[in-house]
Amino acid sequence: QSALTQPPSASGSPGQSVTISCTGTSSDIGAYNYVSWYQHHPGKAPKLIIYEVNKRPSGVPDRFSGSKSGNTASLTVSGLQPEDEAAYYCSSYAGSTVLFGGGTELTVL
Amino acid sequence: QVQLQESGPGLVKPSETLSLTCAVSGGSIRSYYWSWIRQPPGRRLEWLGFIYYSGSTNYNPSLKSRVTMSVDTSKNQFSLKLTSLTSADTAIYYCARGHSSSWVAFDYWGQGTLVTVSS
Repeated sequence: QSALTQPPSASGSPGQSVTISCTGTSSDIGAYNYVSWYQHHPGKAPKLIIYEVNKRPSGVPDRFSGSKSGNTASLTVSGLQPEDEAAYYCSSYAGSTVLFGGGTELTVL
Repeated sequence: QVQLQESGPGLVKPSETLSLTCAVSGGSIRSYYWSWIRQPPGRRLEWLGFIYYSGSTNYNPSLKSRVTMSVDTSKNQFSLKLTSLTSADTAIYYCARGHSSSWVAFDYWGQGTLVTVSS
């Protein structure tokens, strides 16, 4: 299976919104509504922030939202805060395995 | 609060077998799927496979011949064995719990343990 493609970096100022894309194929993102997003601060355990395309686990602020169109999923972070600076990874079920994106480093300017 | 903690050797020789254990605290290992995920230096995360508390498994096809997972419900822990190691297996290894809604979302992760394959 091919991997998922994310932009290596994204940035925004505090209070702004930023959207991170995750492009797959008709065999993964396009086929299943099992897209997840993770936030990863260096040295800490990754944190699940979105699952099943647009669902938020309890405790995750509603500033984080997810969506999907065709073979591309997106994560939007609204009202950027300094603590949002981290790496963000997407993942998708692909029938017999789980694929991850390469990660996007989000910088809060 | 559920916590996961990986343990195992930090350095393993090529061709040998890696054995890692993930201890689960703050919750039961029962009724969940438990996965191993790794990240080689500078590369993307890679899902290795899962084990259900009952013992059923599903491995990444790309590693299926080298991976074995097991679970010990009495100790609330699960384990990974990866055989025939090469330098390409050098990575941070994470254990993670599958979300109650779908095992493909990982809602709790360990901090990760760095495994280096080198002679």
